[in-house]
Amino acid sequence: AQKITQTQPGMFVQEKEAVTLDCTYDTSDPSYGLFWYKQPSSGEMIFLIYQGSYDQQNATEGRYSLNFQKARKSANLVISASQLGDSAMYFCAMREGGRANNLFFGTGTRLTVIP
Amino acid sequence: GAGVSQSPSNKVTEKGKDVELRCDPISGHTALYWYRQSLGQGLEFLIYFQGNSAPDKSGLPSDRFSAERTGGSVSTLTIQRTQQEDSAVYLCASSPDRSNYEQYFGPGTRLTVT
Repeated sequence: AQKITQTQPGMFVQEKEAVTLDCTYDTSDPSYGLFWYKQPSSGEMIFLIYQGSYDQQNATEGRYSLNFQKARKSANLVISASQLGDSAMYFCAMREGGRANNLFFGTGTRLTVIP
Repeated sequence: GAGVSQSPSNKVTEKGKDVELRCDPISGHTALYWYRQSLGQGLEFLIYFQGNSAPDKSGLPSDRFSAERTGGSVSTLTIQRTQQEDSAVYLCASSPDRSNYEQYFGPGTRLTVT
């Protein structure tokens, strides 16, 4: 089974609007971490936001927030007030346990912001 | 400070040749990771180094792939007898220690096997 599932290959959003990128995960480990990365066309992976499985509150970082629904095993990324520079691939990833070794990545969602 | 650097940025090689990809992690980072990203796909874990511990090689797709990390810093990923299916972007990441959350990625090496 896939550990990270991103069901939206592509999304469009109007500039200044909010958009939600979906991510569901699968793990039996009670301790895990969830990450979102942005990959612009230049190719670099840019860390956006992190949510720990024991965190009581949803993570927020500027215009990014993570809608963490533990029972549903979902960790959707919400981008508020979209900007043209937000157009990129977005990857959801998970680290299992406290091992801090590899991340499991989803297949990504390509977000296009329309002026 | 300087981020993770990788070289070369692009590599074109003929099928059957060996290639070496280099990663310079952020100074002081003890953890180093290699991932592979095929066209239009997410990242696939290859190998993980943490300090002086034995590396986690569980993601290496075949015995043609190997990696080493000298002196706990620079890492080299070697692919022997390259195949066309090895064509991908190879990304390196580092983090300060095993308990740190975030991995810092390099710009990647785009490998094309002809």
